[in-house]
Amino acid sequence: DAMVIQNPRYQVTQFGKPVTLSCSQTLNHNVMYWYQQKSSQAPKLLFHYYDKDFNNEADTPDNFQSRRPNTSFCFLDIRSPGLGDAAMYLCATAESGYEQYFGPGTRLTVT
Amino acid sequence: AQKVTQAQTEISVVEKEDVTLDCVYETRDTTYYLFWYKQPPSGELVFLIRRNSFDEQNEISGRYSWNFQKSTSSFNFTITASQVVDSAVYFCALSEEAAGNKLTFGGGTRVLVKP
Repeated sequence: DAMVIQNPRYQVTQFGKPVTLSCSQTLNHNVMYWYQQKSSQAPKLLFHYYDKDFNNEADTPDNFQSRRPNTSFCFLDIRSPGLGDAAMYLCATAESGYEQYFGPGTRLTVT
Repeated sequence: AQKVTQAQTEISVVEKEDVTLDCVYETRDTTYYLFWYKQPPSGELVFLIRRNSFDEQNEISGRYSWNFQKSTSSFNFTITASQVVDSAVYFCALSEEAAGNKLTFGGGTRVLVKP
């Protein structure tokens, strides 16, 4: 049974064309995270929601935005994707203070 | 500031050999948590273990075991009798209570188990 679901698994977008990645969870966790992972690197935290409170990392580009309309869903919006934004995007959830559970990721290609 | 170092970037072993992955961390917090995650080629990060700073007991789960030593700031991971399915990238991570429990990952160690 999938607990953290990410759609789509693969996304191709054009340079500068807005794209939205989605994440949903069945764990009812109060914290949701978005990470960017480039090839042969560790995941890099972009931002996270503690309930409805949004927490942006200092070095996350303004090009990246997020929405969490309810406990179960969280979206990552890339307003104007550049070639450097091609990466795997990982969503994770956690009950505050406990381990994070990751989704399968969305691999983004920018053409 | 918190930091996690995985000095081994890649380890190659033959099936049934044991393999130990090193993890060294830095933190100024007294309450922190250590984790290991496995990332197979499919890409999903799979949670393996969480250990808090007050619990130095070693742990064994099947072929996996973990050795936590606060004196050397290390949290090493051993796979006994490795199998091809163990081939993956393994990440050690640290979270500090004072930093909102955000994960700081090490650089990862790629394990290749050959038949």
